[in-house]
Parts: sequence; C-alpha cells; structure tokens
Amino acid sequence: KQEVTQIPAALSVPEGENLVLNCSFTDSAIYNLQWFRQDPGKGLTSLLLIQSSQREQTSGRLNASLDKSSGRSTLYIAASQPGDSATYLCAAPNTNAGNNRKLIWGLGTSLAVNP
Amino acid sequence: SQTIHQWPATLVQPVGSPLSLECTVEGTSNPNLYWYRQAAGRGLQLLFYSVGIGQISSEVPQNLSASRPQDRQFILSSKKLLLSDSGFYLCASRLAGGRGNIQYFGAGTRLSVL
Repeated sequence: KQEVTQIPAALSVPEGENLVLNCSFTDSAIYNLQWFRQDPGKGLTSLLLIQSSQREQTSGRLNASLDKSSGRSTLYIAASQPGDSATYLCAAPNTNAGNNRKLIWGLGTSLAVNP
Repeated sequence: SQTIHQWPATLVQPVGSPLSLECTVEGTSNPNLYWYRQAAGRGLQLLFYSVGIGQISSEVPQNLSASRPQDRQFILSSKKLLLSDSGFYLCASRLAGGRGNIQYFGAGTRLSVL
C-alpha cells in the first residue's frame, strides 16, 4: 500500500535562501509523482509532474527530482521569495492493481519566506 | 489546460440541512473527476471519483453522495449534514487514460456546519 510522507511539516526561511522540500513514498512502482502548491483557503495548483523515466523536471526557480530506488522526491526552490509562501504537497499514484486513478497525498510542508 | 468551476466559495449550513455542491469542467471531455475533503490540519481525503457519466466510486463510507449527470458536471450531496461534514471541499479533474496527466483543481468550497 502506497504511503506518502513529507518532511518537514513546516519551514520558515529568510528571503533569498535556496531550500529543499522532501517527499518520501513507500512503493517505488510509481509511474509519476506530482508536486502541488496550495495558498491558504485556495485550491491546489500543479507545479511539476515527473514521469518515472525522468530524474528531474524544472520550471523557473523550481526543480523537482525523483529517485524511485530510494523512494524519494525533492522540490528545490532557488532564491526564495515571500510570494513562495504556501503549502507544498506531493502526490503519488496509488499502486494497487486496477486502481491507479487515485493519488496518495502527503500532508504537505507549510513554507513561510520572510522578507 | 482545464478549468474547474466550483460554487459556492463559502457555505454555512445548520446541522440536518441538505447539501448540494456543484463542479463543472471546461477544456476537456470525458475526464476523471474527483471530490476531496480537506479538514483543518489534515491531508486531502478522497471522497469520490468518477470515470464517466453515472459511474461513481466511493472511497469512504459517510454521510455524503456524489452524482455525475453530465460528462463535465460532478455534484456532491447530502440529505442531512453532520457537524463532522465541515471542511474544505475540492473538486478535481484529470484527463482519462495517459499516465502523465496532471490533476487540476477548483478553488474549493469552505463548508461550515453549525
């Protein structure tokens, strides 16, 4: 059964720092992994989707990596800005046979970037 | 990309009253549709998903039901709300088929049951 864990639960950094958010999953038989952003009281926005055949995906200041063998993904945010403050969630497909339409979610990392 | 419309944004309902939340999708056809609930301090809980009109899979036994009367319309309902139904409800859509498809979310409905 797939389980997704995110560490740390909360992170507070000064503006300009580079930072790494971590996501671990228990079943490495995934075909992709997604990172989302959620602003307070809002819906989720997809940031990056990494296919199992890829090791990295980049979008602007964001870089996500995927290491299936170790069951880990990281989201790297370069030169953080106050506007990056949000909760970041990762999600991996359910790996139970015949039911891969579902995503298994981490609890998120709440990021605060202080000016 | 897809656009997910959810309404209302905020809802306050008394215990025992009925509920109907609607979600419509633009920019795709025959999507997989999802209803999630997000309680304060907890993760996303999948409530229902649908792979087509009239096809509903329930993930958690509860006081809620879902229906998909049209391809791009997904409705979450309850006959009698409980206090425990309070939370943030999110509708999501994903292209059917391919394994690389992103899940898109609506803006959510904040439900308070008093």
